[in-house]
Amino acid sequence: SAVISQKPSRDICQRGTSLTIQCQVDSQVTMMFWYRQQPGQSLTLIATANQGSEATYESGFVIDKFPISRPNLTFSTLTVSNMSPEDSSIYLCSVSHRGKSYEQYFGPGTRLTVT
Amino acid sequence: AQSVTQLDSQVPVFEEAPVELRCNYSSSVSVYLFWYVQYPNQGLQLLLKYLSGSTLVESINGFEAEFNKSQTSFHLRKPSVHISDTAEYFCAVSDTGTYKYIFGTGTRLKVLA
Repeated sequence: SAVISQKPSRDICQRGTSLTIQCQVDSQVTMMFWYRQQPGQSLTLIATANQGSEATYESGFVIDKFPISRPNLTFSTLTVSNMSPEDSSIYLCSVSHRGKSYEQYFGPGTRLTVT
Repeated sequence: AQSVTQLDSQVPVFEEAPVELRCNYSSSVSVYLFWYVQYPNQGLQLLLKYLSGSTLVESINGFEAEFNKSQTSFHLRKPSVHISDTAEYFCAVSDTGTYKYIFGTGTRLKVLA
């Protein structure tokens, strides 16, 4: 397993602003993912964060809205840009280790409210 | 495309009673199957997983799930629940080649005293 921390744990933001969420892991991991959990709904994969290269985005998510960085094997950021109330969600990062890429471990999440 | 169905959004059950949480997936290609639990105000924790081999998998806290390929199901069961099992349970499926998870909509288990 892995110990994963996210900052901030929660935030309330104004419409039109941007928020950067950090994900830190206590060990080197192969893959890092970002998910969104909208109120009362399930988790949806936003993108796979690739170390040293551009993230791979899922259908319906674009880099201009959700820029992602992964400068090393233990850290990634997700920015939610030009926010609207529809972006109010819990954002979670998850990781998997080399040799066990099929098994993901999740961070505690960042609860974002946009007013 | 793969999809996951958890038919029950909420399941109330009395303490010490048995429970089954249902999960069905759409595609019969080779898959990995997972159950995650989310306790109130906490992150997701891996409860159990099926990768290959025995179709019955167990967790350390008494839950078990059975992979049924013909019915494309991976139902979660516990013979006797505790108050502390109150949580939301998510089923997830991954096609073996992609490592991407598709989640169900979750089942909120509420154990009553």
